[in-house]
Amino acid sequence: DTAVSQTPKYLVTQMGNDKSIKCEQNLGHDTMYWYKQDSKKFLKIMFSYNNKELIINETVPNRFSPKSPDKAHLNLHINSLELGDSAVYFCASSYTGEEQFFGPGTRLTVL
Amino acid sequence: GENVEQHPSTLSVQEGDSAVIKCTYSDSASNYFPWYKQELGKRPQLIIDIRSNVGEKKDQRIAVTLNKTAKHFSLHITETQPEDSAVYFCAANAGGTSYGKLTFGQGTILTVHP
Repeated sequence: DTAVSQTPKYLVTQMGNDKSIKCEQNLGHDTMYWYKQDSKKFLKIMFSYNNKELIINETVPNRFSPKSPDKAHLNLHINSLELGDSAVYFCASSYTGEEQFFGPGTRLTVL
Repeated sequence: GENVEQHPSTLSVQEGDSAVIKCTYSDSASNYFPWYKQELGKRPQLIIDIRSNVGEKKDQRIAVTLNKTAKHFSLHITETQPEDSAVYFCAANAGGTSYGKLTFGQGTILTVHP
């Protein structure tokens, strides 16, 4: 039974397009996160929601907009995609704010 | 904000040897330090963590030590096996926040040769 799931697993698109990545967790956690892992494997937090409320918003271009319809879902919408947006995006969730469970990742390639 | 430095960036050992990965952090208010293992093409997975009220924690072949005064913590893997080969990340939470803003180190690529 998958704990944190993401769709799609792979996303290949052209520069300038708009795309969304979806995340769902069935762990009953209150907090969800989006991370970006670049080509050098560096993991950096982008956003976090606690009970549908945005609580962490790092220095991310405003082309990136997270949305949390309920505490089990956190989606990421990206407008006007750029080459530098190519990366693996991980969703994660946590109950205590400490142990974080990661999703399988979405590999985004912008051509 | 928090800054986490991790060394070495790559580590190559023979099966059965020990491996040690070290991290330093900058925020003296950080109180939670997890270690994640990421196999090729997979998600990061928590393997061990330590809180600031503890100096050492062990779980079978892995252990983590924390020196709050020096602001560094280390991962120790004993009797390494080929399946330990992966990228390992340390992390620290930001100033005791309750929402888990983790700052990750740069990662260490561990290769265990049979």
